[in-house]
Amino acid sequence: DIQMTQSPSSMSASLGDRVTITCRASQDIGNYLSWFQQKPGKSPRRMIYGATNLAAGVPSRFSGSRSGSDYSLTISSLESEDMAIYYCLQSIQYPYTFGAGTKLELK
Amino acid sequence: QVQLQQSGAELAKPGSSVKISCKASGYTFTSYYISWIKQTTGQGLEYIGYINTGSGGTNYNEKFKGKATLTVDKSSSTAFMQLSSLTPDDSAVYYCAKGATGDYWGQGVMVTVSS
Repeated sequence: DIQMTQSPSSMSASLGDRVTITCRASQDIGNYLSWFQQKPGKSPRRMIYGATNLAAGVPSRFSGSRSGSDYSLTISSLESEDMAIYYCLQSIQYPYTFGAGTKLELK
Repeated sequence: QVQLQQSGAELAKPGSSVKISCKASGYTFTSYYISWIKQTTGQGLEYIGYINTGSGGTNYNEKFKGKATLTVDKSSSTAFMQLSSLTPDDSAVYYCAKGATGDYWGQGVMVTVSS
């Protein structure tokens, strides 16, 4: 199975900060990478698909990028509603696999 | 609007089975796979597999073969997942999601396995 190594596992940041979360794939996954946001007691919400494409209704402060086998989710200016756990998902090879998650908290 | 409405929480005994439903609305049901995902505190998110809602074809994560059985009822736009031979390790929240990569998710079903 493809391993998705996500970092950091948790982080705290201030409102207005630029925040970056990273996933590294153990094999080539091309751009078959999605990012999900999950708030307490809620279902995951897809934020980014195809590594760089913003899902419908997602604020433009969110963006996705790729550098080789490293994939990043960036929030350009952190807002209070962004506090959540973020997961990456590779979808090039079954079984699809998720990263372990990054818990984003307010400093 | 797209909605995936899942059935209610389950409390089951070890060795028994449960069947979870996922009723879709707001889109053409047979045009998209339904995926199933398991979430636990310890293991995070695990992809169980998907069902092709048009053909009924399935693809399972090897880890869940023999544990999960995915079916679909096109007439009611509903997908089902049966979990069999339940053990405490099967206690989790189970989600259905639209498409292979989950652009919309159900609200989740908490399954608790306890004697």
